[in-house]
Amino acid sequence: AAGVIQSPRHLIKEKRETATLKCYPIPRHDTVYWYQQGPGQDPQFLISFYEKMQSDKGSIPDRFSAQQFSDYHSELNMSSLELGDSALYFCASSSWTSMGNEQFFGPGTRLTVL
Amino acid sequence: KQEVTQIPAALSVPEGENLVLNCSFTDSAIYNLQWFRQDPGKGLTSLLLIQSSQREQTSGRLNASLDKSSGRSTLYIAASQPGDSATYLCAVRLGDSNYQLIWGAGTKLIIKP
Repeated sequence: AAGVIQSPRHLIKEKRETATLKCYPIPRHDTVYWYQQGPGQDPQFLISFYEKMQSDKGSIPDRFSAQQFSDYHSELNMSSLELGDSALYFCASSSWTSMGNEQFFGPGTRLTVL
Repeated sequence: KQEVTQIPAALSVPEGENLVLNCSFTDSAIYNLQWFRQDPGKGLTSLLLIQSSQREQTSGRLNASLDKSSGRSTLYIAASQPGDSATYLCAVRLGDSNYQLIWGAGTKLIIKP
């Protein structure tokens, strides 16, 4: 079965650079979520989109922005990168038709800021 | 503010044992609760989802229970295997219109051969 796809899987950037992470949800899923997981920490919710509209907002820094496109893929744009942005970034998707909007996670993008 | 706690933080048991992982939450007004598995440096795999109206869910050797009134959920793993070694996280969803998950810190499980 198709899963959530994230690209790139690994990314190395310098401080103050920008980064763009991409997420391709499971086909026919209408909701996308972004999470940030620092080393040894639990995932922190950043933002979510339902039908291309922002549906919920968590602890996403102002330096970050995200959107969901017409084909339902989503991109997380990160500017003025800081050392503390180094983390594993997960994307998850769900469908309102599935029980409880169960969230299915992608493999993550590991971002390292030097 | 909803807080999710998982105790213990780490657990090591011999292969073949049955075990229980605990998850507690402070606000019983949840929409659902999910249990996940995470291997080191890897992604999150959804194991079980329990709706707020349900008491338990089963999948293979896994059984998850939910007691909303006491703010507790347990994940029961039967006949543990070394391949079950991973970090297990529980996460609660707050409401129908609230999409984000609130996470516990996880229990790191090691199954000794």
